[in-house]
Amino acid sequence: EPEVTQTPSHQVTQMGQEVILRCVPISNHLYFYWYRQILGQKVEFLVSFYNNEISEKSEIFDDQFSVERPDGSNFTLKIRSTKLEDSAMYFCASSDTSGGNIQYFGAGTRLSVL
Amino acid sequence: AQSVTQLGSHVSVSEGALVLLRCNYSSSVPPYLFWYVQYPNQGLQLLLKYTSAATLVKGINGFEAEFKKSETSFHLTKPSAHMSDAAEYFCAVSDKDSSYKLIFGSGTRLLVRP
Repeated sequence: EPEVTQTPSHQVTQMGQEVILRCVPISNHLYFYWYRQILGQKVEFLVSFYNNEISEKSEIFDDQFSVERPDGSNFTLKIRSTKLEDSAMYFCASSDTSGGNIQYFGAGTRLSVL
Repeated sequence: AQSVTQLGSHVSVSEGALVLLRCNYSSSVPPYLFWYVQYPNQGLQLLLKYTSAATLVKGINGFEAEFKKSETSFHLTKPSAHMSDAAEYFCAVSDKDSSYKLIFGSGTRLLVRP
C-alpha cells in the first residue's frame, strides 16, 4: 500500500540553526500539507500546497518557514532559524483530491531544538 | 470558522466493553468529518470518514461513527474494546472554506484495562 514517507524520524538541532524536513508524498497525489503537534497538544495545520504554490498557511507559518517541491517526488519544510518553541512532531500529509478525500499522513519527524 | 471539541482527554474501558469517544463539531456548512488514530510513535491513520452520504459510517478495526446534525456530533464507537485499541484518537473536520485543511480536536487517549 502506498504511503507517505518522512525523513528523518528525529532531528536534533541548536537554536538558530536551519532545518529541512523531508517528505515523499504518495506518487499520484496533488495536495500536500504540513501539520505539527507540540507534545501534549493537538495537531495544528501549518500550510497547504497545490499546483506548486501555497494555497493556505496558518498564523504559525511565519517568514521563518518555507515549503518547496523541488522535484516530482519530494515536499520539504524548511525552518530558517529554529526557536525552542519549534520543538514538535511535524507531519506531512497528501491527498489526491481536495474535499472529502482522505489525507494520508507520514509517521512524522520529531524536531528537538536545544 | 470550523472547530472540533473532543470531550474527555482520557477514556478508560475494560477489555470487551463498549468504547465511546465523543466529538462535537462546529461548522457553517455541511462538514466532512474524520476520525484518525495515532499509535505510540506512529503517524495518523484514518479510521473512518463522513462526507454526506450515510450517517452511520463504518471504519476499520470494528469502529463506527454516527453523524447527528441536530446534535452536531460525530461520536466514535466500538462494541467491544480490544487491548490493541489503546491509542490516541483524533476527530477532525475538513475546512471547506479554504484548502480543505484538517482541523483537529485535542484528542482522546483510550486506555484498555485487561
